[in-house]
Parts: sequence; structure tokens; C-alpha cells
Amino acid sequence: RKEVEQDPGPFNVPEGATVAFNCTYSNSASQSFFWYRQDCRKEPKLLMSVYSSGNEDGRFTAQLNRASQYISLLIRDSKLSDSATYLCVVRVIKAAGNKLTFGGGTRVLVKP
Amino acid sequence: SAVISQKPSRDICQRGTSLTIQCQVDSQVTMMFWYRQQPGQSLTLIATANQGSEATYESGFVIDKFPISRPNLTFSTLTVSNMSPEDSSIYLCSVEVGLAGVGTDTQYFGPGTRLTVL
Repeated sequence: RKEVEQDPGPFNVPEGATVAFNCTYSNSASQSFFWYRQDCRKEPKLLMSVYSSGNEDGRFTAQLNRASQYISLLIRDSKLSDSATYLCVVRVIKAAGNKLTFGGGTRVLVKP
Repeated sequence: SAVISQKPSRDICQRGTSLTIQCQVDSQVTMMFWYRQQPGQSLTLIATANQGSEATYESGFVIDKFPISRPNLTFSTLTVSNMSPEDSSIYLCSVEVGLAGVGTDTQYFGPGTRLTVL
């Protein structure tokens, strides 16, 4: 079983619609969670951190469920520019140093 | 945040040769990371490079194949040695910036080096 699993998609989303997808993680010692966005042939860029109480950044809402070990990302009022691969990232803090583990990514295609 | 540059941005190499990738950061950072992203895959950590100490390699990666240098707090190199077509990938440098010990550090990535081995 992979440490971080995501539905690869693609999620085909009409412009203006809402899309949501989850990411599950297997390491219960995971302490920090993030969503990164990666455009085609570009490097990953931080979209948002995910906090225990859930958090919102504009049209993006992230949730964390520690009991079930998953995080989610919801995108409202989708824009064409939201088309990208969304990477779920989990951090485990160890004495030897922090380690990030990346999910395989969920591809989102927003269409007119 | 951090601004990271990598050289070269891309290269096409013959099998059996080696390529050294450079990573430059605009600020001093303690930890630098090297990742590999193979076609259609997500990122896999190769090693963590701290200035003044040996790099720490993840399972499946060894120093003889991926030697790393970290001569100062703003620069690192990754060498892909004795290359084979299976090494064709994007190699990304990353740094961690944030409040030490708080666990809210954010990782920033360089633009990547796209390597093709023939």
C-alpha cells in the first residue's frame, strides 16, 4: 500500500462547477499536510497547508480527518486556470529531519 | 519564500556518462532536498543534503549513483552517474523555509532539470 494515495483522475469539471477529491495516508504519525499544485512541465507549488480545523483560501477549502486518515480539497466556482495536477503531501517529523511524502496527484481539467 | 534556480534546465545525454545538476538558492537554508519525478509519476525523494555533513539517502538511492555536494548554505549539486535510459526523469531541487521546530516549514521547488538518456 502506498503511503499517500490519490485518485489520479482526470476530473473533468465544467467551468463554474465545484469539484472535490480526497487523499488518504497510511502513516498515523503524519503531522503536517499540504496540497501542492503542479502545472504541466512545471515544478510543484504550494497551494495551501491543511490544518486540523479545516481551512479556506478563497475558492479552495481543505479538510483533515485524522480518525480516518484522509485530507480533502474542494474547489468552488472552478476556473479554466484551475486545470492542473493537485498533489497531496504529508510530512512526518523525525529526529533525523522532516520528510515529505507525495501522493501520485489528482489531475483536474476545467472545461468551458 | 525562496527563489531557486537550477542548471541545466534540460539535457540529453548518452548512456554511461554523468551529469551534474546545480541548484542555487537566493537565501541561506539549512536543508536542501533532491527529488526525482519520472514521467507520469509523482515526486520521489532521493536525498537530503545538509551543509557540512554527508547527504542522507532514501531507500533505493546510493551515493555512488547520485553523489551530492553541499559546499555552502545556498548551493548544492546532484550528479547522476553512469546514466542509463531508466534515469530519464525530471530532477528537482527543493528547500525548506519556515520557523524551525514548529513543523510549519514550507518546501519550495526549483524549476527542475529535464534529463533524457539515450
